[in-house]
Amino acid sequence: DIQMTQSPASLSASLGETVTIECRASEDIYNGLAWYQQKPGKSPQLLIYNANSLHTGVPSRFSGSGSGTQYSLKINSLQSEDVASYFCQQYYNYPLTFGSGTKLEIK
Amino acid sequence: EVQLVETGGGLVQPGRSLKLSCVASGFTFSSYWMYWIRQAPGKGLEWVSSINTDGGSTYYPDSVKGRFTISRDNAENTVYLQMNSLRSEDTATYYCAKDYGSYFDYWGQGVMVTVSS
Repeated sequence: DIQMTQSPASLSASLGETVTIECRASEDIYNGLAWYQQKPGKSPQLLIYNANSLHTGVPSRFSGSGSGTQYSLKINSLQSEDVASYFCQQYYNYPLTFGSGTKLEIK
Repeated sequence: EVQLVETGGGLVQPGRSLKLSCVASGFTFSSYWMYWIRQAPGKGLEWVSSINTDGGSTYYPDSVKGRFTISRDNAENTVYLQMNSLRSEDTATYYCAKDYGSYFDYWGQGVMVTVSS
Protein backbone atom coordinates (compact mmCIF):
# COMPACT_ATOMS: atom_id res chain seq x y z
CA ASP A 1 0.00 0.00 0.00
CA ILE A 2 1.12 3.58 -0.69
CA GLN A 3 1.44 5.56 2.55
CA MET A 4 0.76 9.30 2.45
CA THR A 5 2.57 11.36 5.06
CA GLN A 6 1.07 14.81 5.43
CA SER A 7 2.55 17.76 7.32
CA PRO A 8 2.07 19.76 9.38
CA ALA A 9 -0.81 18.26 11.38
CA SER A 10 -1.94 21.75 12.33
CA LEU A 11 -1.14 25.23 11.17
CA SER A 12 -1.98 28.70 12.42
CA ALA A 13 -1.49 31.68 10.14
CA SER A 14 -2.61 35.30 9.80
CA LEU A 15 -5.05 36.66 7.27
CA GLY A 16 -3.29 37.54 4.03
CA GLU A 17 -0.39 35.13 4.67
CA THR A 18 0.72 32.33 2.36
CA VAL A 19 0.67 28.78 3.75
CA THR A 20 2.01 25.52 2.39
CA ILE A 21 0.94 21.98 3.23
CA GLU A 22 3.07 19.01 2.22
CA CYS A 23 2.33 15.40 1.33
CA ARG A 24 4.96 12.76 0.83
CA ALA A 25 4.13 9.42 -0.79
CA SER A 26 5.96 6.22 0.12
CA GLU A 27 6.63 5.63 -3.59
CA ASP A 28 6.32 7.52 -6.85
CA ILE A 29 2.65 8.30 -7.56
CA TYR A 30 3.26 10.01 -10.93
CA ASN A 31 1.14 13.08 -10.12
CA GLY A 32 -1.88 10.95 -9.16
CA LEU A 33 -2.69 13.26 -6.27
CA ALA A 34 -5.73 15.24 -5.21
CA TRP A 35 -6.28 17.80 -2.44
CA TYR A 36 -9.53 18.28 -0.54
CA GLN A 37 -10.81 20.95 1.82
CA GLN A 38 -13.18 19.99 4.63
CA LYS A 39 -14.80 22.81 6.56
CA PRO A 40 -16.07 22.05 10.09
CA GLY A 41 -19.19 19.88 9.99
CA LYS A 42 -19.17 19.65 6.19
CA SER A 43 -18.24 17.12 3.53
CA PRO A 44 -14.84 17.31 1.82
CA GLN A 45 -14.59 19.32 -1.40
CA LEU A 46 -12.16 18.76 -4.24
CA LEU A 47 -9.60 21.55 -4.69
CA ILE A 48 -6.81 20.13 -6.87
CA TYR A 49 -6.37 17.01 -9.01
CA ASN A 50 -3.49 15.61 -11.05
CA ALA A 51 -1.26 17.35 -8.48
CA ASN A 52 -1.62 20.81 -10.03
CA SER A 53 -5.00 21.17 -11.81
CA LEU A 54 -7.46 23.51 -10.14
CA HIS A 55 -10.98 22.09 -9.87
CA THR A 56 -13.83 24.14 -11.33
CA GLY A 57 -14.89 27.00 -9.10
CA VAL A 58 -11.91 26.82 -6.75
CA PRO A 59 -10.32 30.24 -6.11
CA SER A 60 -7.01 30.83 -7.84
CA ARG A 61 -5.26 31.51 -4.52
CA PHE A 62 -5.12 27.71 -4.18
CA SER A 63 -2.40 25.92 -6.13
CA GLY A 64 -0.78 22.51 -6.19
CA SER A 65 2.67 21.42 -7.20
CA GLY A 66 5.10 18.56 -6.93
CA SER A 67 6.18 15.36 -8.61
CA GLY A 68 7.42 11.90 -7.77
CA THR A 69 6.86 11.41 -4.06
CA GLN A 70 6.68 15.06 -2.89
CA TYR A 71 3.63 17.28 -3.31
CA SER A 72 2.39 20.52 -1.83
CA LEU A 73 -0.72 22.67 -1.59
CA LYS A 74 -0.20 26.42 -1.36
CA ILE A 75 -2.81 28.93 -0.26
CA ASN A 76 -1.99 32.55 -1.09
CA SER A 77 -3.56 35.52 0.68
CA LEU A 78 -5.21 33.46 3.41
CA GLN A 79 -8.85 34.34 3.99
CA SER A 80 -11.14 33.58 6.94
CA GLU A 81 -13.18 31.14 4.84
CA ASP A 82 -10.06 28.99 4.38
CA VAL A 83 -10.34 27.73 7.97
CA ALA A 84 -10.68 24.00 7.39
CA SER A 85 -8.90 20.68 7.37
CA TYR A 86 -7.02 19.75 4.23
CA PHE A 87 -6.36 16.21 3.01
CA CYS A 88 -4.26 14.80 0.20
CA GLN A 89 -5.23 11.57 -1.60
CA GLN A 90 -3.22 9.40 -3.96
CA TYR A 91 -5.03 7.61 -6.76
CA TYR A 92 -2.07 6.19 -8.65
CA ASN A 93 -2.74 2.76 -7.19
CA TYR A 94 -5.22 0.80 -5.12
CA PRO A 95 -5.91 0.94 -2.25
CA LEU A 96 -6.72 4.61 -2.56
CA THR A 97 -5.10 6.32 0.43
CA PHE A 98 -5.34 9.69 2.15
CA GLY A 99 -2.96 11.79 4.17
CA SER A 100 -3.82 12.26 7.83
CA GLY A 101 -4.90 15.85 7.34
CA THR A 102 -3.84 19.39 8.23
CA LYS A 103 -6.03 21.60 10.38
CA LEU A 104 -5.67 25.25 9.36
CA GLU A 105 -6.64 28.01 11.76
CA ILE A 106 -6.41 31.78 11.65
CA LYS A 107 -4.01 33.38 14.12
CA GLU B 1 -27.04 20.34 -9.76
CA VAL B 2 -25.31 17.17 -8.58
CA GLN B 3 -26.76 15.75 -5.37
CA LEU B 4 -25.82 12.66 -3.41
CA VAL B 5 -28.05 11.76 -0.46
CA GLU B 6 -27.04 8.96 1.91
CA THR B 7 -29.47 7.16 4.19
CA GLY B 8 -29.49 4.08 6.36
CA GLY B 9 -27.13 4.96 9.17
CA GLY B 10 -27.74 4.45 12.86
CA LEU B 11 -26.74 2.59 15.99
CA VAL B 12 -26.02 -1.11 15.56
CA GLN B 13 -24.58 -3.79 17.82
CA PRO B 14 -21.22 -5.40 17.07
CA GLY B 15 -21.57 -8.36 14.72
CA ARG B 16 -24.81 -7.09 13.20
CA SER B 17 -25.48 -5.73 9.71
CA LEU B 18 -26.52 -2.43 8.17
CA LYS B 19 -27.18 -1.31 4.60
CA LEU B 20 -26.48 2.23 3.43
CA SER B 21 -28.04 3.79 0.34
CA CYS B 22 -26.97 6.80 -1.70
CA VAL B 23 -29.38 8.31 -4.20
CA ALA B 24 -27.78 10.38 -6.93
CA SER B 25 -29.21 13.11 -9.13
CA GLY B 26 -28.03 15.83 -11.47
CA PHE B 27 -25.70 13.69 -13.61
CA THR B 28 -25.80 10.53 -15.75
CA PHE B 29 -25.34 8.09 -12.87
CA SER B 30 -24.73 5.03 -15.06
CA SER B 31 -21.65 6.66 -16.63
CA TYR B 32 -19.64 7.09 -13.45
CA TRP B 33 -17.84 4.92 -10.97
CA MET B 34 -19.05 5.48 -7.42
CA TYR B 35 -17.31 5.21 -4.07
CA TRP B 36 -17.84 4.99 -0.34
CA ILE B 37 -15.40 6.78 1.97
CA ARG B 38 -15.60 6.95 5.75
CA GLN B 39 -14.32 9.21 8.51
CA ALA B 40 -14.11 8.07 12.13
CA PRO B 41 -15.02 10.81 14.64
CA GLY B 42 -12.26 13.41 14.72
CA LYS B 43 -10.11 11.36 12.34
CA GLY B 44 -9.02 11.30 8.73
CA LEU B 45 -10.57 9.86 5.60
CA GLU B 46 -10.51 6.19 4.61
CA TRP B 47 -11.56 4.80 1.23
CA VAL B 48 -14.02 1.93 1.77
CA SER B 49 -15.14 0.71 -1.64
CA SER B 50 -15.41 1.41 -5.37
CA ILE B 51 -17.78 0.15 -8.04
CA ASN B 52 -17.52 0.51 -11.80
CA THR B 53 -20.28 1.75 -14.08
CA ASP B 54 -22.15 -1.54 -14.60
CA GLY B 55 -21.46 -2.98 -11.17
CA GLY B 56 -19.33 -5.79 -12.54
CA SER B 57 -16.13 -4.73 -10.77
CA THR B 58 -15.79 -3.81 -7.12
CA TYR B 59 -12.81 -2.97 -4.92
CA TYR B 60 -12.21 -2.86 -1.16
CA PRO B 61 -9.36 -2.25 1.27
CA ASP B 62 -8.32 -5.17 3.46
CA SER B 63 -10.02 -3.56 6.47
CA VAL B 64 -13.51 -4.29 5.07
CA LYS B 65 -12.92 -6.96 2.43
CA GLY B 66 -15.22 -9.93 2.98
CA ARG B 67 -17.52 -7.95 5.29
CA PHE B 68 -18.72 -5.03 3.11
CA THR B 69 -20.35 -5.24 -0.32
CA ILE B 70 -20.92 -2.32 -2.67
CA SER B 71 -23.59 -2.56 -5.35
CA ARG B 72 -25.59 -0.26 -7.58
CA ASP B 73 -28.93 0.02 -9.34
CA ASN B 74 -28.53 2.24 -12.39
CA ALA B 75 -32.30 2.28 -12.99
CA GLU B 76 -32.76 3.79 -9.52
CA ASN B 77 -29.61 6.00 -9.57
CA THR B 78 -28.61 4.40 -6.29
CA VAL B 79 -25.41 2.93 -4.85
CA TYR B 80 -25.50 0.72 -1.79
CA LEU B 81 -23.11 -0.44 0.90
CA GLN B 82 -24.04 -3.65 2.68
CA MET B 83 -22.04 -3.87 5.90
CA ASN B 84 -21.90 -7.20 7.75
CA SER B 85 -20.08 -8.35 10.89
CA LEU B 86 -19.76 -4.77 12.04
CA ARG B 87 -17.03 -3.85 14.53
CA SER B 88 -16.54 -0.89 16.83
CA GLU B 89 -13.78 0.35 14.51
CA ASP B 90 -16.37 0.71 11.72
CA THR B 91 -17.94 3.60 13.65
CA ALA B 92 -17.71 6.57 11.30
CA THR B 93 -19.48 8.98 9.04
CA TYR B 94 -19.91 7.28 5.68
CA TYR B 95 -19.85 9.39 2.51
CA CYS B 96 -20.73 8.35 -0.99
CA ALA B 97 -18.80 10.13 -3.68
CA LYS B 98 -18.83 10.51 -7.45
CA ASP B 99 -15.83 9.62 -9.56
CA TYR B 100 -13.74 12.21 -11.40
CA GLY B 101 -10.79 9.92 -12.23
CA SER B 102 -10.33 7.80 -9.06
CA TYR B 103 -10.72 10.96 -7.07
CA PHE B 104 -13.96 12.54 -6.00
CA ASP B 105 -15.61 15.70 -7.31
CA TYR B 106 -18.89 15.43 -5.40
CA TRP B 107 -19.59 14.05 -1.94
CA GLY B 108 -22.80 13.39 -0.11
CA GLN B 109 -23.57 14.97 3.24
CA GLY B 110 -22.61 11.76 5.02
CA VAL B 111 -24.45 9.33 7.26
CA MET B 112 -23.34 8.30 10.75
CA VAL B 113 -22.87 4.66 11.66
CA THR B 114 -22.25 3.81 15.32
CA VAL B 115 -21.30 0.28 16.27
CA SER B 116 -21.78 -0.24 19.98
CA SER B 117 -23.46 -2.58 22.42
